[in-house]
Amino acid sequence: GAVVSQHPSWVICKSGTSVKIECRSLDFQATTMFWYRQFPKQSLMLMATSNEGSKATYEQGVEKDKFLINHASLTLSTLTVTSAHPEDSSFYICSARVTSGGRGSSYNEQFFGPGTRLTVL
Amino acid sequence: QKEVEQNSGPLSVPEGAIASLNCTYSDRGSQSFFWYRQYSGKSPELIMFIYSNGDKEDGRFTAQLNKASQYVSLLIRDSQPSDSATYLCAVRPTLIQGAQKLVFGQGTRLTINP
Repeated sequence: GAVVSQHPSWVICKSGTSVKIECRSLDFQATTMFWYRQFPKQSLMLMATSNEGSKATYEQGVEKDKFLINHASLTLSTLTVTSAHPEDSSFYICSARVTSGGRGSSYNEQFFGPGTRLTVL
Repeated sequence: QKEVEQNSGPLSVPEGAIASLNCTYSDRGSQSFFWYRQYSGKSPELIMFIYSNGDKEDGRFTAQLNKASQYVSLLIRDSQPSDSATYLCAVRPTLIQGAQKLVFGQGTRLTINP
């Protein structure tokens, strides 16, 4: 399958600071990337859909001013958690949809990055 | 009613047996169905996708889809301890604005006992 990377893999920060997480598609172009959040022992919750060159589409209940998404190129999307608080501590995972040039079996699959574990003190 | 429902388990299966994981979905028009495996502390890994009614086999894995019953399952033959993980069922809804996103079930925790 296609390869998606995330950086950093883990981060610890103080309450009130901002944290940027990068998601990259390494061997394919991704016009669409997705950001998920997963709390312990819970399933994935979609936060937003990131579209290259346009504004992200946020799911209901997700604050767009708190979770800033930028998808400036076909291989990079970033999620910035602004003014982070302890309740934002979670496992943040991005995924990318194969649209062209990838090694997926079809053009509809999503491949996940390894995730970023955020701990806010 | 949740859009995608799975039994959270845990499901315990002896090594070498068949593990059967089930998933139901509410959007009757859904066309794409995916099974992901997630090890503890790791991100999900795609193991199967299915678009048409019937069975699709890939190695020890078989995905089964019944659109009339809005039911999709995953069978794992010759279960191995390394198959112990949480299995997530995901469905792509048919709403135009949501045509690209996946909706995940809560996952079934599977344990293979040696």
